[in-house]
Amino acid sequence: DAGVIQSPRHEVTEMGQEVTLRCKPISGHNSLFWYRQTMMRGLELLIYFNNNVPIDDSGMPEDRFSAKMPNASFSTLKIQPSEPRDSAVYFCASSPRSSGWDEQYFGPGTRLTVT
Amino acid sequence: AQSVTQLDSQVPVFEEAPVELRCNYSSSVSVYLFWYVQYPNQGLQLLLKYLSGSTLVKGINGFEAEFNKSQTSFHLRKPSVHISDTAEYFCAVSDGQGAQKLVFGQGTRLTINP
Repeated sequence: DAGVIQSPRHEVTEMGQEVTLRCKPISGHNSLFWYRQTMMRGLELLIYFNNNVPIDDSGMPEDRFSAKMPNASFSTLKIQPSEPRDSAVYFCASSPRSSGWDEQYFGPGTRLTVT
Repeated sequence: AQSVTQLDSQVPVFEEAPVELRCNYSSSVSVYLFWYVQYPNQGLQLLLKYLSGSTLVKGINGFEAEFNKSQTSFHLRKPSVHISDTAEYFCAVSDGQGAQKLVFGQGTRLTINP
């Protein structure tokens, strides 16, 4: 079975532009997570969904960030407008069940650079 | 709220030597504990997890970890490392009430020298 798929793998954009990151979770998984990884702040949870419903978005840094999950096989993380401090690696992860003890399966990440 | 401290940002060791990566956590409730590994330019993958029961947990690639409740620690060990173990290792905690939010430590970069 394919793992978590993220696109694009690399994105370079100019400040002020809209950026959309995409994620396809593992088929049959009920939960989806978006993380951001930076040198300064480490790995931070931005938002997670259970059965396509957002459960906790307290990690979303600002209103410029938004995430959607229109169906069980697709999610997007959008940044509008982007700023240089948004430069980071963004990971999507999925897990089989809506439980705190389940393994999370991570995608390869999207490296975002905002100039 | 939970927090995780990984005491060493970098650990260099020689191939075939033993290694211990330290992790301490803080929580007012019972917790689930995890170790994830991140190889260069890849996502994280689970090494092992502690949910309950035996405090010694065995994981993939010969790693094991011991949960110590009194010291609030969950140190990761391997008796003999290989070049392929070069990676970044993350300790993580979630509350034992079932919430899915994982809090990660800052990571420890393990470098294996030949």
